[in-house]
Amino acid sequence: EVQLVESGGGLVQPGGSLKLSCEASGFTFSGSTMHWVRQASGKGLEWVGRIRSKADNYATTYPASVKGRFTISRDDSKNTAYLQMDSLKIEDTAVYYCTRPAGSGADWWFDPWGQGTLVTVSS
Amino acid sequence: QSVLTQPPSASGTPGQRVTISCSGSSSNIGSNTVNWYQQFPGTAPKVLIYTNNQRPSGVPDRFSGSKSGTSASLAISGLQSEDEADYYCATWDDSLNGWVFGGGTKLTVL
Repeated sequence: EVQLVESGGGLVQPGGSLKLSCEASGFTFSGSTMHWVRQASGKGLEWVGRIRSKADNYATTYPASVKGRFTISRDDSKNTAYLQMDSLKIEDTAVYYCTRPAGSGADWWFDPWGQGTLVTVSS
Repeated sequence: QSVLTQPPSASGTPGQRVTISCSGSSSNIGSNTVNWYQQFPGTAPKVLIYTNNQRPSGVPDRFSGSKSGTSASLAISGLQSEDEADYYCATWDDSLNGWVFGGGTKLTVL
């Protein structure tokens, strides 16, 4: 069974940093791109970024909202992806999910999703 | 403001058919396949429809998806109380070089 388990969420002050982890099991983690998606309370889903596999040089892509502040990395030996969040803003408060793309070719979707970890940015 | 536009709410009575729309542009829905996710309160989203109209195993055939041009739709027939949830459309955006989601539609079964 494919499983994703996030951890590392918590309370952090504006301007601070936090690092989230996503431990994967049940599939060949090293060969998979990994994504992060967040959801503010009562709001919709927002894609936060992705990291590709070693075969694609661990390339990362981020949306403008977090580019330059967030960094996604991975440790294939630990089957774990990370989301390093710096210069945090109040509007970064959200539940953060990691997810894996399923599909092939030009058709991809997210499946499964982890249970999420809550990040609260507040003074 | 989400890149993909969904109605914030939809409702129907048990047994009815409900549709949820998702409007985009040529750089996202017009160029790529659309996925739909179902989310119950306090839980992670789950894929409901992928590649415009494909259902994962275990998803009832009451759920169907379609895409035309720069819009997509999710239809739920034979509405049941357990269908009450939030529904999100999503696709890749070639201009933004990233994944985009609709703002979500809260479905209420009256």
